[in-house]
Amino acid sequence: EVQLLESGGGSVQPGGSLRLSCAASGFIFSNYGMSWVRQAPGKGLEWVSGITDSGGTKNYADSVKGRFTISRDNAKKTLHLQMSSLRGEDTAVYFCVKGLGNGWANWFDAWGQGTLVTVSS
Amino acid sequence: DIVMTQSPDSLAVSLGERATINCKSSQNVLYNSDNKNYLAWYQQKPGQPPKLLIYWASTRESGVPDRFSGSGSGTDFTLTISSLQAEDVATYYCQQYYSVPLTFGGGTKVEIK
Repeated sequence: EVQLLESGGGSVQPGGSLRLSCAASGFIFSNYGMSWVRQAPGKGLEWVSGITDSGGTKNYADSVKGRFTISRDNAKKTLHLQMSSLRGEDTAVYFCVKGLGNGWANWFDAWGQGTLVTVSS
Repeated sequence: DIVMTQSPDSLAVSLGERATINCKSSQNVLYNSDNKNYLAWYQQKPGQPPKLLIYWASTRESGVPDRFSGSGSGTDFTLTISSLQAEDVATYYCQQYYSVPLTFGGGTKVEIK
């Protein structure tokens, strides 16, 4: 069974930093692209960032480009999202998602339960 | 960026009746080289993460009931629930994976009339 377990969420002041992690199990992690998708309270889904299976290609939403960095450790089956210069509009539940498809052109067949990030003074 | 527009924002359907959700992309998501539409549909119930229903616009994910079907091509797509069940109450999202940034529609909330 595919499992994605996020951690690292919490409350942070504007301008602060957080590092999210996602521990994957139940599939060959190094064979799949991975992404982070977020959902602000009461709002829809927003793709944040994605990384290909090897880690060779990383993509970001314009809203986080230059502030967030995605990375992966295939040996540890772990996905990370380093978030800096956080803003109020980054407040959301962040989902770790497993991608299917070609390279970065992914749809998402498995989702974690999400971790809440709250940015507030 | 490809903008995904869903309609309606919400709809109420009687049990056993058909529910139809529309999704329109601002650009074509049909990739000519493989003749596939890079479009997926998800279901999200309150307090839960989204669940994949359909990919390639019309391919049902394993385990998804056959009352869910996807259709359309190019820029216009439809998710149909042929006979609404109580457990189908949820918000539904379309997503394009034709180009980065990957984008979702705003969601359609389905309720029981």
